Amino acid sequence: DTEVTQTPKHLVMGMTNKKSLKCEQHMGHRAMYWYKQKAKKPPELMFVYSYEKLSINESVPSRFSPECPNSSLLNLHLHALQPEDSALYLCASSQDRELSNQPQHFGDGTRLSIL
Amino acid sequence: GQNIDQPTEMTATEGAIVQINCTYQTSGFNGLFWYQQHAGEAPTFLSYNVLDGLEEKGRFSSFLSRSKGYSYLLLKELQMKDSASYLCAVRDPDSNYQLIWGAGTKLIIKP
Repeated sequence: DTEVTQTPKHLVMGMTNKKSLKCEQHMGHRAMYWYKQKAKKPPELMFVYSYEKLSINESVPSRFSPECPNSSLLNLHLHALQPEDSALYLCASSQDRELSNQPQHFGDGTRLSIL
Repeated sequence: GQNIDQPTEMTATEGAIVQINCTYQTSGFNGLFWYQQHAGEAPTFLSYNVLDGLEEKGRFSSFLSRSKGYSYLLLKELQMKDSASYLCAVRDPDSNYQLIWGAGTKLIIKP
């Protein structure tokens, strides 16, 4: 079991649907991250929140919209996704984004399939 | 540019020792992480190196040589559950909180 919890574990949606991925951590971490991972590839950074403020947006299409309601929660809102967006979406957290010796802790991910 | 290289796949025998290498070319260096990832699961933190030398944690050890841009992960007394991908990641020196990831090494353990 990981200390970063993601829901749902699996999601199948059509290209016209709107859905949200959720992530929660109770380690007191102040940095939270969204990654996208395709099969046999390393994780690709999408967004970084630091102290509940969006600090990094890696040129992600607007059909992905992150939200950080509080220091423990991170959401990723999905709308009008494309088949190529099918992937494992990973949430991670770390104590502080700029403490170089602090690892990122990952959730188990949401396996997303776009029909 | 920034680049990290790892072997794509390695095979080893249960009970044996295996060394997974990682070389990096980056404009600076702020630390290197090793993660383990089982298929369909989250990456799990294994080790962190920022100074030269060996860090030991039970059956797993990680080594770093900054002058050579080189690290390795050493796994001893291999178990079947060690079959996984092993990812090397270096902190982006231009953006301290971002990780530059290697493509990962798939380790297959045979009985």
